[in-house]
Amino acid sequence: DGGITQSPKYLFRKEGQNVTLSCEQNLNHDAMYWYRQDPGQGLRLIYYSQIVNDFQKGDIAEGYSVSREKKESFPLTVTSAQKNPTAFYLCASSTGPYQPQHFGDGTRLSIL
Amino acid sequence: GQQLNQSPQSMFIQEGEDVSMNCTSSSIFNTWLWYKQDPGEGPVLLIALYKAGELTSNGRLTAQFGITRKDSFLNISASIPSDVGIYFCAGLPGAGSYQLTFGKGTKLSVIP
Repeated sequence: DGGITQSPKYLFRKEGQNVTLSCEQNLNHDAMYWYRQDPGQGLRLIYYSQIVNDFQKGDIAEGYSVSREKKESFPLTVTSAQKNPTAFYLCASSTGPYQPQHFGDGTRLSIL
Repeated sequence: GQQLNQSPQSMFIQEGEDVSMNCTSSSIFNTWLWYKQDPGEGPVLLIALYKAGELTSNGRLTAQFGITRKDSFLNISASIPSDVGIYFCAGLPGAGSYQLTFGKGTKLSVIP
């Protein structure tokens, strides 16, 4: 089945550690996105990529980094510089920049 | 940045009742999207609207793209328990911007 796979479902980070969240899609979509969701809030864009080897900062990119070496994959690293990383992280993809985005099932990150 | 005002924030309804929720913006959007999110899952696209005045149905769901392009509403008819969840509207400004702007969601509870 085609879709977007995020892993792991739950992730725990110690203070000062970097952690990487995985996002893989087999929809042959060009564009991929990372969002952060906090309780009672809408989704806020962290980074997006319209094409392989290119990505752009969203509204809240500080403390995060991404790479897009393959069309299917768009991993997100939450660095130690992100002081409030506890949140639900959602990956999405779309056929193009102005097309509806489809989401994975999310990764919940917590701090130990 | 652009903001979407989504209302109501939450609603409790009796099974079988109809539901209406809406989103308004101070800016024009060229695409309106409606998503539903279940707890611990990613949002699922319900309806996409591309043209001012467009009315689109998906089963018991009906959504309209406002004629001013600054608003949209979603109606659910004859609600059932599995309609429970958080409904998000999202807007795409169109040419020049790839970023979806999300409302903060309407939390729907259905009383059997």
